[in-house]
Amino acid sequence: SAVISQKPSRDICQRGTSLTIQCQVDSQVTMMFWYRQQPGQSLTLIATANQGSEATYESGFVIDKFPISRPNLTFSTLTVSNMSPEDSSIYLCSVELAGATDTQYFGPGTRLTVL
Amino acid sequence: GENVEQHPSTLSVQEGDSAVIKCTYSDSASNYFPWYKQELGKGPQLIIDIRSNVGEKKDQRIAVTLNKTAKHFSLHITETQPEDSAVYFCADSGAGSYQLTFGKGTKLSVIP
Repeated sequence: SAVISQKPSRDICQRGTSLTIQCQVDSQVTMMFWYRQQPGQSLTLIATANQGSEATYESGFVIDKFPISRPNLTFSTLTVSNMSPEDSSIYLCSVELAGATDTQYFGPGTRLTVL
Repeated sequence: GENVEQHPSTLSVQEGDSAVIKCTYSDSASNYFPWYKQELGKGPQLIIDIRSNVGEKKDQRIAVTLNKTAKHFSLHITETQPEDSAVYFCADSGAGSYQLTFGKGTKLSVIP
């Protein structure tokens, strides 16, 4: 496995503002992903973070709302833009390590509350 | 995978008893089936996984079985302990696909 860290671990934000979440991994990874987990719910894939190119978004998620960067192999950011209370969720990054196809490991998550 | 159904949604067992959680999938091309444990306030932790060329896999008190014909796979926890209390998620992914489809989760409570 690997050590995956996320910053911040939690935040309380006002509606209309934006928050950028960071994900850092201490090992070489092939794939990085961002998920949303609404309160008491399962995990929903937001997008795949691609190094050096635009992220690949899943149905229902758009770049204007969730811009993603991945400047190198081990770091990615997710921004939640123009937030509303409906964006209150846990945001999780996951990674697929080099040499471990299919297997995804998750970070500790960022718990976001929008007032 | 396209759809993964997970049962039960909640499960209470006495300490020392066994717990079984079952998932069914719809995509016949699915070939990878991980199980995650999520404790309160933490991210999901991979606890065991199985690929479609294997029928069963065991790791100490945890085992996973796969029935490809019936398209279901199950998590078995024996000799449960209070620290096994958590939400467990199953997932699957198809051939050549990195995308995991998750079940809705099972909240397991182990009563001392």
